[in-house]
Amino acid sequence: SQQGEEDPQALSIQEGENATMNCSYKTSINNLQWYRQNSGRGLVHLILIRSNEREKHSGRLRVTLDTSKKSSSLLITASRAADTASYFCATAMDSSYKLIFGSGTRLLVRP
Amino acid sequence: DTAVSQTPKYLVTQMGNDKSIKCEQNLGHDTMYWYKQDSKKFLKIMFSYNNKELIINETVPNRFSPKSPDKAHLNLHINSLELGDSAVYFCASSPRGTGEQFFGPGTRLTVL
Repeated sequence: SQQGEEDPQALSIQEGENATMNCSYKTSINNLQWYRQNSGRGLVHLILIRSNEREKHSGRLRVTLDTSKKSSSLLITASRAADTASYFCATAMDSSYKLIFGSGTRLLVRP
Repeated sequence: DTAVSQTPKYLVTQMGNDKSIKCEQNLGHDTMYWYKQDSKKFLKIMFSYNNKELIINETVPNRFSPKSPDKAHLNLHINSLELGDSAVYFCASSPRGTGEQFFGPGTRLTVL
């Protein structure tokens, strides 16, 4: 069954606001990754956080990981219209090559 | 100079036909993958090859057969296409087993 569930399914915000997306998963992981997918395009890797890390930053992105709650969040600060896309979390278990993707959050940033 | 490329980008075909999708990566990665994304955007791993060796084979009908002639190429052949095979198929590659994956632009398959 699907490993990750994302919340909310859809999010609409005004340009300049922050966007927060949450991901929950079911089993122990080696790492958790976030990807962005623009409409009609392939996925682009945003950030990877390992199971022994709690927080990671990359530009306007901030990712947290709570392994006790089996959850992660992605915060996009000062959003731009160009951030409009679907965002997916993906988990990798132990040393497996396999990534299990969440259901995705559709983000719309209104200019 | 595209990192992961797929051909064709669109594929429209009749039920019962056999079709292939090709994937090439020029990143020097050892591992390649095929994913299926359905109409609800749910993305599911199908296969993975590491240095031409099959390492992931999910519960996929045996009408789907991946082939890796070398570590830069991973093709997907589908026999006896069914309506439910309509989806977007993504190829990806990665340099390490649990690291980031690089995705191709996708192939939108429509079975009529």
